[in-house]
Amino acid sequence: GQQVMQIPQYQHVQEGEDFTTYCNSSTTLSNIQWYKQRPGGHPVFLIQLVKSGEVKKQKRLTFQFGEAKKNSSLHITATQTTDVGTYFCAGRGNEKLTFGTGTRLTIIP
Amino acid sequence: NAGVTQTPKFRILKIGQSMTLQCAQDMNHNYMYWYRQDPGMGLKLIYYSVGAGITDKGEVPNGYNVSRSTTEDFPLRLELAAPSQTSVYFCASRRGGPLNEQFFGPGTRLTVL
Repeated sequence: GQQVMQIPQYQHVQEGEDFTTYCNSSTTLSNIQWYKQRPGGHPVFLIQLVKSGEVKKQKRLTFQFGEAKKNSSLHITATQTTDVGTYFCAGRGNEKLTFGTGTRLTIIP
Repeated sequence: NAGVTQTPKFRILKIGQSMTLQCAQDMNHNYMYWYRQDPGMGLKLIYYSVGAGITDKGEVPNGYNVSRSTTEDFPLRLELAAPSQTSVYFCASRRGGPLNEQFFGPGTRLTVL
């Protein structure tokens, strides 16, 4: 079946530093979504990427979808304490999403 | 709109007991999902439904059952609870169509002792 891996599993950064998480799928994806889960909370949708090579920005967050539609990345510029949480990518196959393993981001003030 | 609601928020079960986790959405979404999330891990799909009366297995269905008699409700049944079912359970829904955003409920934290 489809597998979606993320690296790194954990990332600790000083406040103000940049952060990147990478997502790799074993199969070509029709689209990829990103979710954020705050500690103790539930996943919240951030964005969806559909086109090969697509890049989207949301303020300090930049999302990329690879040319082969098998990988994606999320980059946060100048992290803030509000960025704390676990970031999941999720690849769509038919009716189901396959979630990545997640990257837990902690911020050192 | 309340979005996706789940009850209960917390539950402790003894081995062998049964229970139903409730999930409801008021967004008229066709698609609904049940996931489990083990500590420090990602989300694993248990069951999903593409509409009332239609359900299908996900990645980890063993030990669980679902039904979808209405568009709004998608309960998850645990039969003969086992310690391996200790987890946080999330219900989610989506409308369908080109923007496939899934909306998640707040989760049910289940402990089986």
